Amino acid sequence: KAGVTQTPRYLIKTRGQQVTLSCSPISGHRSVSWYQQTPGQGLQFLFEYFSETQRNKGNFPGRFSGRQFSNSRSEMNVSTLELGDSALYLCASKGWAEAFFGQGTRLTVV
Amino acid sequence: DQQVKQNSPSLSVQEGRISILNCDYTNSMFDYFLWYKKYPAEGPTFLISISSIKDKNEDGRFTVFLNKSAKHLSLHIVPSQPGDSAVYFCAASAGNYGGSQGNLIFGKGTKLSVKP
Repeated sequence: KAGVTQTPRYLIKTRGQQVTLSCSPISGHRSVSWYQQTPGQGLQFLFEYFSETQRNKGNFPGRFSGRQFSNSRSEMNVSTLELGDSALYLCASKGWAEAFFGQGTRLTVV
Repeated sequence: DQQVKQNSPSLSVQEGRISILNCDYTNSMFDYFLWYKKYPAEGPTFLISISSIKDKNEDGRFTVFLNKSAKHLSLHIVPSQPGDSAVYFCAASAGNYGGSQGNLIFGKGTKLSVKP
């Protein structure tokens, strides 16, 4: 059973640009959540998608958005990048209870 | 407002001894709790979970204890091994005892170092 796949693994962008990250969940899982991890802040919840609908949203500005496709694959987009957006972005695929994480995308904004 | 708190940023333990990692929560609606382990540059890996209808769950060297009245849970690792050195995250969710409704809220993590 394939795990959660996130692409790309590493990304360097310039301030003001936008970026799109991709996540393919475990086959059969319909819930995909996104988290941001920065040093000292733990994993902060961005949003969750279930069956193509955003079901929960964390406390992040509108520059952070996402979507989910009919095959459960999800993308998150960050527009007008700021230096503080540099972080590890993690995608989690959830079946019933436990969430399974991908390797993450390391985004560096310069 | 942090709903899940891990007040110890780090913990150092000797190999073979017990490691106890603590977690407190404030939201009484949480009914499912999980522990994840994370190595640098990797995604968190699920370790063990507990539903609020239980007060203990055991899986090999890992045991999670839940004290609902104190809104406190702990992860015990016995015996600790150097390979256990990682950051441990506590997480909680509300809704259907872990069912598909609830998103996970994480603590900030505790870095465990197990010394040989």
